[in-house]
Amino acid sequence: EAEVAQSPRYKITEKSQAVAFWCDPISGHATLYWYRQILGQGPELLVQFQDESVVDDSQLPKDRFSAERLKGVDSTLKIQPAELGDSAMYLCASSFGTVRRNTIYFGEGSWLTVV
Amino acid sequence: LAKTTQPISMDSYEGQEVNITCSHNNIATNDYITWYQQFPSQGPRFIIQGYKTKVTNEVASLFIPADRKSSTLSLPRVSLSDTAVYYCLVGDPSGNTPLVFGKGTRLSVIA
Repeated sequence: EAEVAQSPRYKITEKSQAVAFWCDPISGHATLYWYRQILGQGPELLVQFQDESVVDDSQLPKDRFSAERLKGVDSTLKIQPAELGDSAMYLCASSFGTVRRNTIYFGEGSWLTVV
Repeated sequence: LAKTTQPISMDSYEGQEVNITCSHNNIATNDYITWYQQFPSQGPRFIIQGYKTKVTNEVASLFIPADRKSSTLSLPRVSLSDTAVYYCLVGDPSGNTPLVFGKGTRLSVIA
């Protein structure tokens, strides 16, 4: 079964440093999502792409977070500078859109620890 | 966006049937109900989706009453490996409205 690929799996970074996460969605999936999940809580949507365009980034802290999906395929989420409160799991997900009625496929996640 | 309410946690013994109920009183006409399962340190995994009445797949059943203000995920004969967090989500199938995760229900299966 096709999977959403994410890297790195684990990242430890110092406060004020820059960090980036990469995601390769399932082939053919036009919609790509980045979620943040703090321990003990449900995933929170940060940004949603439709092809290369941002559909929703209302919850993305734009002063330090940025996301891009230049060719409408893979995507990068960047944090600069990282803060202690950014420690969380960052999940990438993709969906085919309306055909599967919002069935979203998630990657394994990237764990970030800011020290 | 329709808000969902689920129990925070549930315990069950192996081999029992588990029913997790989700309330979504302000569900919209176009909204579907989707359940996800999440194991520790992994991304959520799609379990089942429905609009009304009953849906069954190889993993679970989903019961939705006529008023659609709630839904029940039924897991038959759970095993230890079913210990996970289960999320109920309600959303528009157009895909333009992002699905909102709540805190989910933490199911613990005991031997």
